Amino acid sequence: GAGVSQSPSNKVTEKGKDVELRCDPISGHTALYWYRQSLGQGLEFLIYFQGNSAPDKSGLPSDRFSAERTGGSVSTLTIQRTQQEDSAVYLCASSLGGQGAAGYTFGSGTRLTVV
Amino acid sequence: GQNIDQPTEMTATEGAIVQINCTYQTSGFNGLFWYQQHAGEAPTFLSYNVLDGLEEKGRFSSFLSRSKGYSYLLLKELQMKDSASYLCAVMDSNYQLIWGAGTKLIIKP
Repeated sequence: GAGVSQSPSNKVTEKGKDVELRCDPISGHTALYWYRQSLGQGLEFLIYFQGNSAPDKSGLPSDRFSAERTGGSVSTLTIQRTQQEDSAVYLCASSLGGQGAAGYTFGSGTRLTVV
Repeated sequence: GQNIDQPTEMTATEGAIVQINCTYQTSGFNGLFWYQQHAGEAPTFLSYNVLDGLEEKGRFSSFLSRSKGYSYLLLKELQMKDSASYLCAVMDSNYQLIWGAGTKLIIKP
């Protein structure tokens, strides 16, 4: 597609439930990032996929968080047993290569609210 | 540790010029990015500097001094639509982006 597509745009879930967030990057972009952003805060790195290399999971805050990228394209971020502190906007970004000199293109994000 | 510092909030007048500073301490350097983020929206790419000096792009310019660990984003002829947060990010030696918390720019008529 023309841009990075994320779904759903909004998700309200009960504490303890699992959620799955989807990111469809720009076609041909090999690098894909997941970030989260709490209200009024900067971007917090979660995970990075680059081509067929093993993902960099160093930003995942706990083992409740996991992500995969199938076929080098679509990625899903899964949060198990959600907690209220997981409430944030989850942003996906993609770039042509890991060096991203042209900048990353962000999706519109998924606003997750855990009640 | 790695650190990006930028002012939390700035106020400027429509038609004026504003400079948003960013200082950084990172493990390695592979470029500095500026992004604009309107409230409730995703960040959009503004500029990328990897060499010292000034990069000009219309009303926006970005400057980098690697020896000082310093950058600024200069916005000229401010318009009300420029009201947004401006995020500074540095790419470290592992090609990871380290993000500042952003500077909220308020434009007054």
